[in-house]
Amino acid sequence: QKEVEQDPGPLSVPEGAIVSLNCTYSNSAFQYFMWYRQYSRKGPELLMYTYSSGNKEDGRFTAQVDKSSKYISLFIRDSQPSDSATYLCAMSDTSGTYKYIFGTGTRLKVLA
Amino acid sequence: DVKVTQSSRYLVKRTGEKVFLECVQDMDHENMFWYRQDPGLGLRLIYFSYDVKMKEKGDIPEGYSVSREKKERFSLILESASTNQTSMYLCASSLVGTDNGQFFGPGTRLTVL
Repeated sequence: QKEVEQDPGPLSVPEGAIVSLNCTYSNSAFQYFMWYRQYSRKGPELLMYTYSSGNKEDGRFTAQVDKSSKYISLFIRDSQPSDSATYLCAMSDTSGTYKYIFGTGTRLKVLA
Repeated sequence: DVKVTQSSRYLVKRTGEKVFLECVQDMDHENMFWYRQDPGLGLRLIYFSYDVKMKEKGDIPEGYSVSREKKERFSLILESASTNQTSMYLCASSLVGTDNGQFFGPGTRLTVL
């Protein structure tokens, strides 16, 4: 079993839809959770970062962490064609190892 | 605007060649990382460095070495390139600690023939 599982998609939605992207993980020591957006042929860019449990909102994006279920989500409201990209989740523990564990990414297509 | 830059976007090399991939960051970050990204396998850590001249092996260091002579620069070296090293190579940097996320460069698409 992988430490971090992420549905590869592709996920196709109409413009304006609410998108839910998810990751599950197995290591209960993870405390830091991140979402990255990666456009085709580009490097990942950091979208959202959360520490421990709870929600964090930034514009149209909301990151949610449920540590009891070992489940994290990224919600995109009013999705736009420019949101079409691959979304990677990443997480890390507090051991100071500097290691981040990445999901394999979910490919999202927002149709105009 | 913070930046991580990589020396080449696309590179084609022959089997057995020595390959150098360069990465420079302008954020004064202590940590720097090299990953490779392959379809279905996600990002896999090759090496990371937490200080000048310091390095640690990641999950897949075989066939690679690294060099960090200056804080802002981290090089990945393929001693003798092989076709199974054809991949997208991504450099990243971060501040000390794990609570800031990593900042990535644009990537180098390496093809080994």
